[in-house]
Amino acid sequence: NAGVTQTPKFQVLKTGQSMTLQCAQDMNHNSMYWYRQDPGMGLRLIYYSASEGTTDKGEVPNGYNVSRLNKREFSLRLESAAPSQTSVYFCASSWDFYGYTFGSGTRLTVV
Amino acid sequence: SQQGEEDPQALSIQEGENATMNCSYKTSINNLQWYRQNSGRGLVHLILIRSNEREKHSGRLRVTLDTSKKSSSLLITASRAADTASYFCATVTNQGGKLIFGQGTELSVKP
Repeated sequence: NAGVTQTPKFQVLKTGQSMTLQCAQDMNHNSMYWYRQDPGMGLRLIYYSASEGTTDKGEVPNGYNVSRLNKREFSLRLESAAPSQTSVYFCASSWDFYGYTFGSGTRLTVV
Repeated sequence: SQQGEEDPQALSIQEGENATMNCSYKTSINNLQWYRQNSGRGLVHLILIRSNEREKHSGRLRVTLDTSKKSSSLLITASRAADTASYFCATVTNQGGKLIFGQGTELSVKP
């Protein structure tokens, strides 16, 4: 039972490069989320998807795009990476309002 | 801005003492959850309290919720060095099930 799987675990990008962070869950959850966590801070919601085919902005969506490819997968894309996007990114999924499962995170550095 | 604010930002205690962390939030909620994070690793769900509950216990954890004051507290009794971590409260509203985090309390338990 893998839960929520994020790839890659680590990534270094140059300013202006693009990349996609992948997230997959095997729990048949309806909702999926992308968060970022900066040093000394809590997680901030970037985008979420309440169900397959829908996506909505969270607290800090600027500079990101998302795709809910199917029920299992929710990807986060940085079109033109900036140093301000250096952070740890967490994906999460939930079935309802109560049970949230988090991935182990992707540590992204933009130089 | 984040939904919750936590107090204190940092707490240092001796093993065996109790640790109390407080969380305030801004909007009406469906439930409030507490998570632990060890040194930049993934999040571990500790306990959930629903909006119609006032107190909940789980092992050495006690959570209270005061919806009139929009606040919650987490009490860890008889703390251990292994409890050293960051603790976050997170709220879920009735609109869309988004989980929104506070900024966290960094707890240090000295042996």
